[in-house]
Amino acid sequence: AQSVTQPDIHITVSEGASLELRCNYSYGATPYLFWYVQSPGQGLQLLLKYFSGDTLVQGIKGFEAEFKRSQSSFNLRKPSVHWSDAAEYFCAVADTGGFKTIFGAGTRLFVKA
Amino acid sequence: SAVISQKPSRDICQRGTSLTIQCQVDSQVTMMFWYRQQPGQSLTLIATANQGSEATYESGFVIDKFPISRPNLTFSTLTVSNMSPEDSSIYLCSVEFGQGASYEQYFGPGTRLTVT
Repeated sequence: AQSVTQPDIHITVSEGASLELRCNYSYGATPYLFWYVQSPGQGLQLLLKYFSGDTLVQGIKGFEAEFKRSQSSFNLRKPSVHWSDAAEYFCAVADTGGFKTIFGAGTRLFVKA
Repeated sequence: SAVISQKPSRDICQRGTSLTIQCQVDSQVTMMFWYRQQPGQSLTLIATANQGSEATYESGFVIDKFPISRPNLTFSTLTVSNMSPEDSSIYLCSVEFGQGASYEQYFGPGTRLTVT
């Protein structure tokens, strides 16, 4: 069965510093992978997705993620964090047969001035 | 793209009662999904609802507790029945479009339920 692991429950970075959020997945084939952001009191917003092709995916708000098959990882990165990036980030994998999305536990990002 | 609205946005309910959550989408969709997000937790899929057929429930969720209606291609309801404090969660509906590189999934703003 597919699964998603986000090893970091929370991360604190300084504003302007770089960010990397980790995500590991378990899936029998090449998965469909996603990163979502959930700001306090807000709904989920898709940051980026990977289906095939180029393993480095660009998303909205300056985020990018790299798919590494050998490591079963899909880490999210941003070169310079803004205070408005403080939120909960979810990595997710979709069942390519029915697009039933499985979410990781989430990583809460805190940004300090 | 899709715009999804949910009603109510939040509610406080007494244990033993039931609450029906509405989800409205601004375009026609084949499948609608209902998720639960317990406090401090991730999202868990409750069921998938297709128009004109019974919903398909995930392991751990049953129709008697979470009956779902899907009367047309733009609307669905989820009822949380005989509520207990453990049902306190955010409930989100979701829709999907496209396949492959064009695949998109959209989520409603959620309904925050507190059971006392």
